[in-house]
Amino acid sequence: QQPVQSPQAVILREGEDAVINCSSSKALYSVHWYRQKHGEAPVFLMILLKGGEQKGHEKISASFNEKKQQSSLYLTASQLSYSGTYFCGTVPQGGSEKLVFGKGTKLTVNP
Amino acid sequence: EAQVTQNPRYLITVTGKKLTVTCSQNMNHEYMSWYRQDPGLGLRQIYYSMNVEVTDKGDVPEGYKVSRKEKRNFPLILESPSPNQTSLYFCASSKPGPHTQYFGPGTRLTVL
Repeated sequence: QQPVQSPQAVILREGEDAVINCSSSKALYSVHWYRQKHGEAPVFLMILLKGGEQKGHEKISASFNEKKQQSSLYLTASQLSYSGTYFCGTVPQGGSEKLVFGKGTKLTVNP
Repeated sequence: EAQVTQNPRYLITVTGKKLTVTCSQNMNHEYMSWYRQDPGLGLRQIYYSMNVEVTDKGDVPEGYKVSRKEKRNFPLILESPSPNQTSLYFCASSKPGPHTQYFGPGTRLTVL
């Protein structure tokens, strides 16, 4: 079952913050975040494994609420280089290692 | 350099003409996958393989075949391509479990 991402698109000015949400109808084992720039392959950002876990990568961080079966990606003080499409991928609890990606959130950062 | 390679990068073909897209990784990863990417639909898994000779269907396997005879290679075969298989295809590899997936550069396929 494909996770649901919101919003579908967001436009920011440089320096503004954004939150991208990812929710699943299934109990989750892990949540993965990737960023894809136009015409390129997706690139790994981070994996969250435990409920309540938070991780950070420069000014990009994420949280994982296991109870709510959702994760959020936080981009603070956005830079032009943050533009791209962000995908969350989820692995359900129960043994399957199959990673299922959401439809993506397109982030545009303008000067 | 650790990488996933795909060939060809671009392919235009006609309906019904069998084709193979190759994928190779040099990281000794057990796990490999094929995805297709279409506008507004995200990355959808076609097939995946957990090791040599072990493959399973993903979410959109119809019209595709795969094989995993060697650990480093995971070719995607379209026996009789149709226009609805026009898409951007990515191969990816990873270690087992919750690890980073490394994506190849993509193959843009057009079926006329």
